[in-house]
Amino acid sequence: EPEVTQTPSHQVTQMGQEVILRCVPISNHLYFYWYRQILGQKVEFLVSFYNNEISEKSEIFDDQFSVERPDGSNFTLKIRSTKLEDSAMYFCASSTESYEQYFGPGTRLTVT
Amino acid sequence: AQSVTQPDIHITVSEGASLELRCNYSYGATPYLFWYVQSPGQGLQLLLKYFSGDTLVQGIKGFEAEFKRSQSSFNLRKPSVHWSDAAEYFCAVGSNYQLIWGAGTKLIIKP
Repeated sequence: EPEVTQTPSHQVTQMGQEVILRCVPISNHLYFYWYRQILGQKVEFLVSFYNNEISEKSEIFDDQFSVERPDGSNFTLKIRSTKLEDSAMYFCASSTESYEQYFGPGTRLTVT
Repeated sequence: AQSVTQPDIHITVSEGASLELRCNYSYGATPYLFWYVQSPGQGLQLLLKYFSGDTLVQGIKGFEAEFKRSQSSFNLRKPSVHWSDAAEYFCAVGSNYQLIWGAGTKLIIKP
């Protein structure tokens, strides 16, 4: 069964450093998403991406965040200058035209 | 504004007992509703979804949920829980191709 994959599974970085989280969505999906979950809190929407552009973004997704689909398979989330409060589990998801989103296993980002 | 409320932070049930997890939503139009499960250290797995039609939907692992428009609810049920059901359960509503999430309910199974 096709699945969304994410790398790395755990990323440790120092405050102020840039990080890139990588995702490979399901191959025939058209919509791509990033969510985050701070430890012990609810899942929060960051951004959705369709047709090579951002379709929706939340207030969390400020100028330090960016997304890119550099080739036909990868979907990346870049955090330009990480802060302590960026420590969270980041989930990538993809979907066809329906709302049924399939999630990857997540990348745990720890900012020290 | 759209929102999802899961009023129970934790629920403890005995193995073999029935289960109901509550979810209420606030949404202006016909909602797309979802239940996801997250096992410790794992990702989010879709249990079931409601888009339209029959208000009782069946999902994986023996779960079902009932959409009640009059109560703005989409409660998750299982007639007999197994120890492997211990996890965190999230209700979500689909809006503008994003999912709006409840805070989750942690299910604890007593042997």
